[in-house]
Amino acid sequence: ETGVTQSPTHLIKTRGQQVTLRCSSQSGHNTVSWYQQALGQGPQFIFQYYREEENGRGNFPPRFSGLQFPNYSSELNVNALELDDSALYLCASSFTGGAFRGPRYEQYFGPGTRLTVT
Amino acid sequence: AQKITQTQPGMFVQEKEAVTLDCTYDTSDPSYGLFWYKQPSSGEMIFLIYQGSYDQQNATEGRYSLNFQKARKSANLVISASQLGDSAMYFCAMGESGNEKLTFGTGTRLTIIP
Repeated sequence: ETGVTQSPTHLIKTRGQQVTLRCSSQSGHNTVSWYQQALGQGPQFIFQYYREEENGRGNFPPRFSGLQFPNYSSELNVNALELDDSALYLCASSFTGGAFRGPRYEQYFGPGTRLTVT
Repeated sequence: AQKITQTQPGMFVQEKEAVTLDCTYDTSDPSYGLFWYKQPSSGEMIFLIYQGSYDQQNATEGRYSLNFQKARKSANLVISASQLGDSAMYFCAMGESGNEKLTFGTGTRLTIIP
């Protein structure tokens, strides 16, 4: 059973540029969530993808967008990068079965991508 | 709106002692789950333990146990016989029914002293 992987590990971008972060979900999982963790803070929910569609979104502007592919892997895209976008971006995968389930959902996190915007 | 509060920014504990990390939460949903994650300096969030709002007994996973006091809306993590490898950030998180979003607290940095 493979765990959640993310690429790249580190990334340095300039303000105004665009970035794409990638996540491969754990084997058997069909749901991917993305979180932003600023330095010294807890992770903040960006959005979640289930069956290739966005399923819930946190308080992030539209320049944060995503995709989920048929193999359940996912991408996070951020346009027009700002200095405040510098953070650790975490991807988490989980399994959603049938109708939306109760609150027991162990989300397994990847190692994260550390993005620095200069 | 759901909210998680962790009031201990940092804790220092002697090796082999037990430690309790505090977490209080606020939600209007009767069905919810509470989680604890460990985040070492490498950055990966490691799932430790889960407690459902309807669970009658406190959750335990090895050296980890969750002291769930529903009326007080608290979900404290207890680590027994602490080890040097327990040094890390610890986050309490909550999810509500039908909602995949996890809401995290600000974390507690635990340092185990030899």
